[in-house]
Amino acid sequence: DAEITQSPRHKITETGRQVTLACHQTWNHNNMFWYRQDLGHGLRLIHYSYGVQDTNKGEVSDGYSVSRSNTEDLPLTLESAASSQTSVYFCASSDGGGADTQYFGPGTRLTVL
Amino acid sequence: GQNIDQPTEMTATEGAIVQINCTYQTSGFNGLFWYQQHAGEAPTFLSYNVLDGLEEKGRFSSFLSRSKGYSYLLLKELQMKDSASYLCAVIDSNYQLIWGAGTKLIIKP
Repeated sequence: DAEITQSPRHKITETGRQVTLACHQTWNHNNMFWYRQDLGHGLRLIHYSYGVQDTNKGEVSDGYSVSRSNTEDLPLTLESAASSQTSVYFCASSDGGGADTQYFGPGTRLTVL
Repeated sequence: GQNIDQPTEMTATEGAIVQINCTYQTSGFNGLFWYQQHAGEAPTFLSYNVLDGLEEKGRFSSFLSRSKGYSYLLLKELQMKDSASYLCAVIDSNYQLIWGAGTKLIIKP
């Protein structure tokens, strides 16, 4: 069955370190998204991609970067982790246009000390 | 700015009916999603509305009024497993999803 996976599921790191969160989907979807979810806030879009070599900034992109070298993967990198980036991170994918249903990975809980 | 409002928390009794409201003010409208999210898990798709009216899917129904910027999710015959957060999300004119903060639904026996 097609799926979307994230790794690691839990990560503790220190301020200033570079961290990469992996996202892998086997749906063969063109669109992939990274969100963060914090208490009291809705899901907030960090970066998104509509295809290989395409990346776009979302609402809260400062301090994060992504790259899309193939259809299946969209890794999220925190260049220099900050305590404000402690959050739960979700990756999602969708097939076609912007109105298509997004399917979410299980999430990564990141703690920055 | 763009805004989606949902109640923070609701409580209901097993077997009863509950209605979760969502009001939105967005730059354009291209559809509205409802997702369910159990604690510690990923959001999962429940429903999609793009035209006014009621969409029924088993115990769950979703209603949309575009002129009022309003939607609701209706859950019937509540079960304990329905305890979760329910997220409303609107597709704006740029085809970006704008998410509400979610409504935590607590089901009591």
